[in-house]
Amino acid sequence: DGGITQSPKYLFRKEGQNVTLSCEQNLNHDAMYWYRQDPGQGLRLIYYSQIVNDFQKGDIAEGYSVSREKKESFPLTVTSAQKNPTAFYLCASSITGSNTEAFFGQGTRLTVV
Amino acid sequence: KNQVEQSPQSLIILEGKNCTLQCNYTVSPFSNLRWYKQDTGRGPVSLTIMTFSENTKSNGRYTATLDADTKQSSLHITASQLSDSASYICVVSAPYGGSQGNLIFGKGTKLSVKP
Repeated sequence: DGGITQSPKYLFRKEGQNVTLSCEQNLNHDAMYWYRQDPGQGLRLIYYSQIVNDFQKGDIAEGYSVSREKKESFPLTVTSAQKNPTAFYLCASSITGSNTEAFFGQGTRLTVV
Repeated sequence: KNQVEQSPQSLIILEGKNCTLQCNYTVSPFSNLRWYKQDTGRGPVSLTIMTFSENTKSNGRYTATLDADTKQSSLHITASQLSDSASYICVVSAPYGGSQGNLIFGKGTKLSVKP
């Protein structure tokens, strides 16, 4: 099946730990995105990548890091520098260009314990 | 800054009734506008996509309208079903979104359909 897969679905992190969220797509999309969603808020962009080995900061990049070594994969690391990491994280992909549809993964819910 | 405003924030209707959700945007320039449905704890799924030259687009019981002059869109749901209970998100595509990226999201309208 073609699609975009996020894992894990639920993730618990102790304070001070780094954790990595996985995002894989087999849609042959060039562009990939990471968003954060908090209750009552719209999706906010963390990082995006339009091509392999290149990525750009979004509005709320502080405390996060990404890599794009392969077209299919765009992992997000939530570092200990992110002071309020508990949220729902969504990964998306699209064909490059603004006139196309973004396809979303099913999300990862991260909770700090 | 590009913005997308949705109303109402939440809405409760009875099964079988119709409803209309609103979206106003200040994104410029503007490529297209999409409506997504997001079930609780899931990723958003696209319902409709319209370019600035389109006025209306339907997808089953969902009909979206767009007025590019007034920068307003609406999503009309006909004969609502319990499975329509979800958040509906308006997303406007901005070619030069900068740190917002090229997809500007509204906060969504949470629709609850009661039996």
